Amino acid sequence: AQSVSQHNHHVILSEAASLELGCNYSYGGTVNLFWYVQYPGQHLQLLLKYFSGDPLVKGIKGFEAEFIKSKFSFNLRKPSVQWSDTAEYFCAVISTGFQKLVFGTGTRLLVSP
Amino acid sequence: DTGVSQDPRHKITKRGQNVTFRCDPISEHNRLYWYRQTLGQGPEFLTYFQNEAQLEKSRLLSDRFSAERPKGSFSTLEIQRTEQGDSAMYLCASSRSDREAQGYTFGSGTRLTVV
Repeated sequence: AQSVSQHNHHVILSEAASLELGCNYSYGGTVNLFWYVQYPGQHLQLLLKYFSGDPLVKGIKGFEAEFIKSKFSFNLRKPSVQWSDTAEYFCAVISTGFQKLVFGTGTRLLVSP
Repeated sequence: DTGVSQDPRHKITKRGQNVTFRCDPISEHNRLYWYRQTLGQGPEFLTYFQNEAQLEKSRLLSDRFSAERPKGSFSTLEIQRTEQGDSAMYLCASSRSDREAQGYTFGSGTRLTVV
């Protein structure tokens, strides 16, 4: 079965600090990887996705993620966070044959101004 | 507007009552998913439909839960004899089966509180 691990449950940063959120998945086959963001009181929104090609993918709002197949990882990064990035971030994977998106437990990010 | 609509946004019910939630997906999406999210957890898969066919159900979906998508458009999720443990956010998402790699579009969810 596929599973997703997010190592940091809570992260607190000051504005302008750099961000890296870890994500590892367990499935060894072909995967599509996603990061979703949930701002306070809002629905889940797609931040970025990887399904093939360049392992460094860029998303909205200055976020990027790097797919490292050998490490089964898909870490999310942002060079300089803003207060408006305060949200919960979910890594998710869908693999061939499983037909459904599997989420990690999420990382709650608090950016202090 | 996310394109996926869920109704109601909030539901408070007494233990033992039945509740029903509705989801209207993006019109051209043939797949529809139900997830449940509790505090501190990521969304957990419950079930999904391709058109009107229910193709998979999680073991999380006890016999008290039933979902339908009668005409391949909107879907309903019913919980019978609700229990306090059913309190959660119920999320609906939709996608196109030929564009699965694009990810899902989620609705705003229905927050259920069982008292």
